[in-house]
Amino acid sequence: AQTVTQSQPEMSVQEAETVTLSCTYDTSESDYYLFWYKQPPSRQMILVIRQEAYKQQNATENRFSVNFQKAAKSFSLKISDSQLGDAAMYFCAYRTFYGGATNKLIFGTGTLLAVQP
Amino acid sequence: DSGVTQTPKHLITATGQRVTLRCSPRSGDLSVYWYQQSLDQGLQFLIQYYNGEERAKGNILERFSAQQFPDLHSELNLSSLELGDSALYFCASSLRRTSGADTQYFGPGTRLTVL
Repeated sequence: AQTVTQSQPEMSVQEAETVTLSCTYDTSESDYYLFWYKQPPSRQMILVIRQEAYKQQNATENRFSVNFQKAAKSFSLKISDSQLGDAAMYFCAYRTFYGGATNKLIFGTGTLLAVQP
Repeated sequence: DSGVTQTPKHLITATGQRVTLRCSPRSGDLSVYWYQQSLDQGLQFLIQYYNGEERAKGNILERFSAQQFPDLHSELNLSSLELGDSALYFCASSLRRTSGADTQYFGPGTRLTVL
């Protein structure tokens, strides 16, 4: 079974600085998808970024980018020029590529990011 | 706004009761997923429906059931409620069942409190 691990329960960053959130996963599959979701105090789950495992190029969305290391099964999220609105819980999630029985997301335990003004 | 709606936003009830949570997927989405977020279990997948049919079950209790209607909205029924069922229940939707580009978009959630 696949598992997702986020080893940093809490992180803090100064406004305008850069922070990296870590995520590792375990799978025997060669093709899959990885996601970062953001959950602000409103509790809404918001998709931040998605990475296809078959793509070597790291995904980027504005100030958010990932460092995807397939061999190491590592998927970290880098937030550049941090803003107060980035303060939230961040979840790393895994999804199998082939779907089949299910496209369920498997989530890590989350990292709570605080942004200091 | 993800386009996924959930009602009610908050629900407070007593142990032993039954409640129904409702979800309307994004326009055009055929798949609906239910997730439970609790302090001790984290975010867990409960069940998935695709175009009215159940496709997968996760850690869903036998006291819980769901269905997806012809208009594609879905309901999650929770019965014989226990204190431990208190959680945030999310609905997510996506377009297809097996497509590789099938991102799930989440609704705002229903906060269930069992007293």
